[in-house]
Amino acid sequence: EDQVTQSPEALRLQEGESSSLNCSYTVSGLRGLFWYRQDPGKGPEFLFTLYSAGEEKEKERLKATLTKKESFLHITAPKPEDSATYLCAVRTGFQKLVFGTGTRLLVSP
Amino acid sequence: DADVTQTPRNRITKTGKRIMLECSQTKGHDRMYWYRQDPGLGLRLIYYSFDVKDINKGEISDGYSVSRQAQAKFSLSLESAIPNQTALYFCATSVGRGIGQETQYFGPGTRLLVL
Repeated sequence: EDQVTQSPEALRLQEGESSSLNCSYTVSGLRGLFWYRQDPGKGPEFLFTLYSAGEEKEKERLKATLTKKESFLHITAPKPEDSATYLCAVRTGFQKLVFGTGTRLLVSP
Repeated sequence: DADVTQTPRNRITKTGKRIMLECSQTKGHDRMYWYRQDPGLGLRLIYYSFDVKDINKGEISDGYSVSRQAQAKFSLSLESAIPNQTALYFCATSVGRGIGQETQYFGPGTRLLVL
């Protein structure tokens, strides 16, 4: 069965304190790994797509990396506005996305 | 203006009532999806549609039905609402082919409470 596990469930950082979020997956035939950001009461906002091991993508303070079994979302020098829930999803075929339960990030000033 | 809109944004209904949630998009995408989100369970796929004549069940379609009225419109119906259908519902879209075809873009969500 395809599974996506995100850790930690919640993370509290001080402003400027860099860290990483983890997304581990077991799927039969990965066809893309996706990171989304979700603010309270809003829909997920697309951040990155990664397709193959070794691939990296960056956007402002965020950097996503991919291995054969997991992906990391590195947050460098976070700011309070980076506080959100970060969702990971994998595409296993024919447009089906399997989502993790997310990591709630809180960045304090 | 938002590319993917959902109406209503919030809805309270009673057990046994029929309700419809609507989604429309201006992205020009072929494919549309309905998900529900529950605390601790993540997003789960209810139905998806690759074009107006193509409707497919997702992993949790029981108790739901959908209608694709046009390329830009995809509605989700709860024929007889029950309390465990209380959740946050999201519509999503994706392009049918070419670069970025796998990426799904989400609407703002509908918060549904079934009493």
